[in-house]
Amino acid sequence: NAGVMQNPRHLVRRRGQEARLRCSPMKGHSHVYWYRQLPEEGLKFMVYLQKENIIDESGMPKERFSAEFPKEGPSILRIQQVVRGDSAAYFCASSLSGALLSEQYFGPGTRLTVT
Amino acid sequence: DQQVKQNSPSLSVQEGRISILNCDYTNSMFDYFLWYKKYPAEGPTFLISISSIKDKNEDGRFTVFLNKSAKHLSLHIVPSQPGDSAVYFCAASARETGANSKLTFGKGITLSVRP
Repeated sequence: NAGVMQNPRHLVRRRGQEARLRCSPMKGHSHVYWYRQLPEEGLKFMVYLQKENIIDESGMPKERFSAEFPKEGPSILRIQQVVRGDSAAYFCASSLSGALLSEQYFGPGTRLTVT
Repeated sequence: DQQVKQNSPSLSVQEGRISILNCDYTNSMFDYFLWYKKYPAEGPTFLISISSIKDKNEDGRFTVFLNKSAKHLSLHIVPSQPGDSAVYFCAASARETGANSKLTFGKGITLSVRP
């Protein structure tokens, strides 16, 4: 049973470009969470999605960031017009039911570097 | 505002000795706490959790203690092993289960276990 997969693992973008980060949850999991880890910081919650629905986006920056989890395919975190401050590690986690917090399984992360 | 604080950025202990990792929180609404372990280039892995109705939870070499009045918890690892060398994150949530159960993380503590 494959774990949570994220790609790309490393992404380099120039300022002003768009970044698309993908997250494939564990098989059977329909709940996805995105977290961002800035340098020297802990992980910060961004958004919680179920299939085709955004449940909680209270941690998402108001502009340039969006997330989706379509019926088919991976969850996508999209950052438009990236700036240097977006450089961070982005982790997604998935869970079977959104029930127990201890059952959030994390992917290996995507390290975004904005030059 | 850092709601979950891990004030010591690093800890070094001798193999076989006890490792004690501390965590403080400020939000009185938090009632469920988790510890995650993270190796470089990997995502966090759930280690152990505790609900606020308990003051101790034990799982093998790992024990978490919760002092709710002091808003303090600690993770004890005994005996420590070189493979325990990793970054340890303390996380908290306002609820153990259910929708919108998002995690708030501390900055992490880097544990080094010397052979």
